[in-house]
Amino acid sequence: AQKITQTQPGMFVQEKEAVTLDCTYDTSDPSYGLFWYKQPSSGEMIFLIYQGSYDQQNATEGRYSLNFQKARKSANLVISASQLGDSAMYFCAMREGRSAGNEKLTFGTGTRLTIIP
Amino acid sequence: NAGVMQNPRHLVRRRGQEARLRCSPMKGHSHVYWYRQLPEEGLKFMVYLQKENIIDESGMPKERFSAEFPKEGPSILRIQQVVRGDSAAYFCASSRNRESTEAFFGQGTRLTVV
Repeated sequence: AQKITQTQPGMFVQEKEAVTLDCTYDTSDPSYGLFWYKQPSSGEMIFLIYQGSYDQQNATEGRYSLNFQKARKSANLVISASQLGDSAMYFCAMREGRSAGNEKLTFGTGTRLTIIP
Repeated sequence: NAGVMQNPRHLVRRRGQEARLRCSPMKGHSHVYWYRQLPEEGLKFMVYLQKENIIDESGMPKERFSAEFPKEGPSILRIQQVVRGDSAAYFCASSRNRESTEAFFGQGTRLTVV
């Protein structure tokens, strides 16, 4: 089974609208972390936001927020007031466990977001 | 405060040659992770190193691939006798410690095997 599933291969959104990028995950470990990364056309991986499994509140970073629904195992990224510069690939990733050797991230296949002027 | 530095950014190798990819972690970071990204796919974990030690290499192909992180100098990912299927983007990330909630990625090295 896929550990991280991103069901939207591509999305087109009008500038200034809000965007929700879906991510569901699969783990039996009670301790895990969820990450979102942005990869623009230039190729670098830019960290956006992090949510820990024990965090009581949804993570927020500026225009980015994470809609964390633990029972549904979903961690959707919400971008408010989208901008042209938000056009990029977006990857959801998970790190399982807190013990040694579990630092590696498992990535989804990504969603290509295109913002239309 | 420089970020994670990878070089070269682009590398072209003929089949059978060796590829050496370098990664200098952020200052103060002693944990390094290598990932590979095939076209139109997400990143796949390859190896996790601390200074002079390989901690987890469960994602490394058994042959032709090796990684090191010496006491002095950058981490090196080495691919011997490259084949066309090795063409990919190789990313390095670093963190201060294993409890860090974020790993900072470099800009990647795009390897093309011709």
